[in-house]
Amino acid sequence: QQPVQSPQAVILREGEDAVINCSSSKALYSVHWYRQKHGEAPVFLMILLKGGEQKGHDKISASFNEKKQQSSLYLTASQLSYSGTYFCGTEAGKLIFGQGTELSVKP
Amino acid sequence: DTAVSQTPKYLVTQMGNDKSIKCEQNLGHDTMYWYKQDSKKFLKIMFSYNNKELIINETVPNRFSPKSPDKAHLNLHINSLELGDSAVYFCASSRNSGANVLTFGAGSRLTVL
Repeated sequence: QQPVQSPQAVILREGEDAVINCSSSKALYSVHWYRQKHGEAPVFLMILLKGGEQKGHDKISASFNEKKQQSSLYLTASQLSYSGTYFCGTEAGKLIFGQGTELSVKP
Repeated sequence: DTAVSQTPKYLVTQMGNDKSIKCEQNLGHDTMYWYKQDSKKFLKIMFSYNNKELIINETVPNRFSPKSPDKAHLNLHINSLELGDSAVYFCASSRNSGANVLTFGAGSRLTVL
């Protein structure tokens, strides 16, 4: 079952914040986040393994609410380099990706 | 020194032809994958091998046949190509088949005319 991401797309100005949500209809044991820049391969950002866990990576952080079967990715003080498509992935023996959220950061 | 390398990067071919994509990883990982990314950017898992053994085989047409000669290599052969096969095919690897980080290759863009 593919996780559902929202929003599908977001446009930001440099310095603004954004939140990308990922939800699943099935129980989650781990959530992965990847970023794919245009024309490139997806690149791993972080993995959250426990319910309620929060992780950070520079100014990008994420939370994982196991009970709600949701994860959120927080991008603060966005930079031009944050532009790309963000995917969450959930595991049940194989990594299934959400449909992606396209993030554009404008100067 | 590229961690996961795929060849070729681009393939343009006619319907009905057969083509292969090769993938190699030098990370010492046990598990390798093929993902297909369509024009809407949807990343869908196709196959996974763990130490040369097929462990995931999604509902992919029989025209697609993966082969893993050793744990560092995973190839994808596609017979009788169709227009709908046009996509970017990504190879990836992970340390093992558990909750592990995927390292993706640069992708192979297949265009079927």
